Amino acid sequence: DIVMTQSPDSLAVSLGERATINCKSSQSVLYVSNNKDYLAWYQQKPGQPPKLLINWASARESGVPDRFSGSGSGTDFTLTISSLQAEDVALYYCQQYYNTPGTFGRGTKVEIK
Amino acid sequence: EVQLLESGGGLVQPGGSLRLSCVASGFNLRNFAVSWVRQAPGEGLAWVSSISDSGASKHYADSVKGRFTISRDNSKNTLYLQMTSLRVEDTAIYYCAKTVRVLALEDAYDMWGQGTMVTVSS
Repeated sequence: DIVMTQSPDSLAVSLGERATINCKSSQSVLYVSNNKDYLAWYQQKPGQPPKLLINWASARESGVPDRFSGSGSGTDFTLTISSLQAEDVALYYCQQYYNTPGTFGRGTKVEIK
Repeated sequence: EVQLLESGGGLVQPGGSLRLSCVASGFNLRNFAVSWVRQAPGEGLAWVSSISDSGASKHYADSVKGRFTISRDNSKNTLYLQMTSLRVEDTAIYYCAKTVRVLALEDAYDMWGQGTMVTVSS
């Protein structure tokens, strides 16, 4: 199975400041034939199911604010919240869907400083 | 409303069985692969099982292989998870989730149910 390692486990950021979450896969999730990285980011707020934010490592889902961005390729990926808002307090997970099982990172908790 | 709705969770003793259901409304689930993903209390997300759009292809996490069975009834727009020989460590919220792309088994999940709680305890 591909192991997804997220860092940090938690971070506290002031309102309006940048939050950066890292995700590293134990093997490449770049599918060479279509040049796509099979990597997604989810946001989970307390008592709610996860919500898909970003697909294909950098493609924002419809309705997701543009302060959320994804970058990276191969084995190293980043989710950036450019200007943290109060409603962004949540757990964030990366997931690879390059192969089955589609493994998740352990999550990063984002809080307000 | 377009949604997935799970049911069937509850309290069960170790060694017992439960069947979870996930009904899709507002759209046709038959074109999508669907998965069960669980989340133990205070823990992260863990994939449990997936089934292809036709039901021909099924996959299981090692931790549930031989004990859980995934199935679907496309005429009822419904996904199932039959859980047997339940263990304390199976205690979790169980979510059903559908893939983004039609016919793709390996994909991100763009729709999740609200989850159903399974508690295994004596």
